Amino acid sequence: RKEVEQDPGPFNVPEGATVAFNCTYSNSASQSFFWYRQDCRKEPKLLMSVYSSGNEDGRFTAQLNRASQYISLLIRDSKLSDSATYLCVVNRAGGYNKLIFGAGTRLAVHP
Amino acid sequence: SQTIHQWPATLVQPVGSPLSLECTVEGTSNPNLYWYRQAAGRGLQLLFYSVGIGQISSEVPQNLSASRPQDRQFILSSKKLLLSDSGFYLCAWEGKDRTDTQYFGPGTRLTVL
Repeated sequence: RKEVEQDPGPFNVPEGATVAFNCTYSNSASQSFFWYRQDCRKEPKLLMSVYSSGNEDGRFTAQLNRASQYISLLIRDSKLSDSATYLCVVNRAGGYNKLIFGAGTRLAVHP
Repeated sequence: SQTIHQWPATLVQPVGSPLSLECTVEGTSNPNLYWYRQAAGRGLQLLFYSVGIGQISSEVPQNLSASRPQDRQFILSSKKLLLSDSGFYLCAWEGKDRTDTQYFGPGTRLTVL
């Protein structure tokens, strides 16, 4: 089983749609969770951290369910510029901060 | 503010040739530094990390090596490249005061022919 699993997509949605991505992780001791965004042939960029109580940043909402070891990202009112690959990232607890990256979910927003 | 640089941006090398990729960070001191590789359509694989000058830990046995000769400089090397070394190489930094968030450089796209 992979340490971080994501649906690879692609998710093809029209502008203005709401889309949700899910991610599961295997290490119950993980403490830090993130969503990164990666544009085609570019480096990953931090989108948002994910907190236990859930958090929102504009059109983006992240949720964490520790009991189910599940993370989600909700994007409301999708824009063309949201088209990218979204990486679910979890730290491997213990020792240095090793981040485990999911393979990513690709989102394509069309007019 | 902090910035991270990588060069070269792209590289095409023959099998068996040596490799040297460089990463430098500005605007911070004593960062943790990381080298990752991303194969086409795959997730990021951690190759090396460093918590200080001369301190390198390897995650995956391979024909690559890393060095940190200065506080904000991280170098990835190989003596003889393999076809399987092709990929997108990313350097990342992380502050000691916030050891749960990594920021990536623009990457080097390596093609081994």
